Amino acid sequence: DAGVIQSPRHEVTEMGQEVTLRCKPISGHDYLFWYRQTMMRGLELLIYFNNNVPIDDSGMPEDRFSAKMPNASFSTLKIQPSEPRDSAVYFCASSLIGGGFAGELFFGEGSRLTVL
Amino acid sequence: AQKVTQAQTEISVVEKEDVTLDCVYETRDTTYYLFWYKQPPSGELVFLIRRNSFDEQNEISGRYSWNFQKSTSSFNFTITASQVVDSAVYFCALAPGSNTGKLIFGQGTTLQVKP
Repeated sequence: DAGVIQSPRHEVTEMGQEVTLRCKPISGHDYLFWYRQTMMRGLELLIYFNNNVPIDDSGMPEDRFSAKMPNASFSTLKIQPSEPRDSAVYFCASSLIGGGFAGELFFGEGSRLTVL
Repeated sequence: AQKVTQAQTEISVVEKEDVTLDCVYETRDTTYYLFWYKQPPSGELVFLIRRNSFDEQNEISGRYSWNFQKSTSSFNFTITASQVVDSAVYFCALAPGSNTGKLIFGQGTTLQVKP
């Protein structure tokens, strides 16, 4: 089975532009997570979904960030407008938990965002 | 508060040395899970191990071993006879007992294994 697929792998944009990051989780997984990794703050959970429903978005830095999961096979993380401090690697991860805590998180390869 | 502390920021060893990466966690939950992930230079995060709070048995997998001690809230990771390919950033993580898979990561330890 294919792993978690993220696109784009690299994105360079200018301040003020809209950025959309995309994620395809592993088929059959019921949880999807968006993490951000920076040197200063390490790995931070931004938001996660269960069966396409957002459960906890307390990690989303501010209103400029939004995430959606329109169906079980696709999620987006959008930043509008982008700022230089948003530069980071954004990871998507999925997991199969079902009725109990069964699975580890499977991570995508990450999307490296640079905002100039 | 839920927290994971990896006090060692960077470790450098020579190939074939044994090395232990420390992890200390904080949680008030009685049920929780602990993880180790590896992040090689290529950037992806690779799952290594999961442990639940009721299982304090040490685990060995090849050159890797894990020592879980609830009394000291520690979950340390030892690599025996290290190899250059072990060079990576290693993350310890805590999943509180809320059964969601939400992981709280430590800051990571960068391991450099020199030939």
